[in-house]
Amino acid sequence: EPEVTQTPSHQVTQMGQEVILRCVPISNHLYFYWYRQILGQKVEFLVSFYNNEISEKSEIFDDQFSVERPDGSNFTLKIRSTKLEDSAMYFCASTLAGGQQETQYFGPGTRLLVL
Amino acid sequence: RKEVEQDPGPFNVPEGATVAFNCTYSNSASQSFFWYRQDCRKEPKLLMSVYSSGNEDGRFTAQLNRASQYISLLIRDSKLSDSATYLCVVNTYYTGGFKTIFGAGTRLFVKA
Repeated sequence: EPEVTQTPSHQVTQMGQEVILRCVPISNHLYFYWYRQILGQKVEFLVSFYNNEISEKSEIFDDQFSVERPDGSNFTLKIRSTKLEDSAMYFCASTLAGGQQETQYFGPGTRLLVL
Repeated sequence: RKEVEQDPGPFNVPEGATVAFNCTYSNSASQSFFWYRQDCRKEPKLLMSVYSSGNEDGRFTAQLNRASQYISLLIRDSKLSDSATYLCVVNTYYTGGFKTIFGAGTRLFVKA
């Protein structure tokens, strides 16, 4: 069964450093998403992406965040200058089409720890 | 009021028990509803979509009440492997797209 993959599985960084989290969505999917989950809290939507553009973004997704599809397979989330409160699990998801009935398939996540 | 609200849990039940989870949503424009399951430190995985007429998948039954803005999940004959956090997820359509909101989840422990 096709699956979403994410690298790295864990990342430890110093406050103020830039991090790039990588995702490979399911190959024929066209819509991509990033979510985060702070330990013990709920999953929160960050951003959706389609056709090389951001479709929607939440209030969390401020100027420190950016997303990119640098090639035909990767979808990345960059945090420019990490803060302690960015420590969380970051999940990538993809859907075949953008309909709201679509099942979102989640990757295994990257656990980011900012020291 | 939270956009998606779930029973706080945890629910501790013996194997074989029937357990029900509730979820309410605040935006009457919400149109799509799902139950996801999340194991500890893992990604959410779709358990089932929730349709207006209600739907069943094996031991799992989901119901939607649009008038009350309420969604439920019933698990019959609980198994040890059902132990997880159950997430209520709501998609609300806006012009040009939709927004996905997760509930905080209800943790279930099934004991032998």
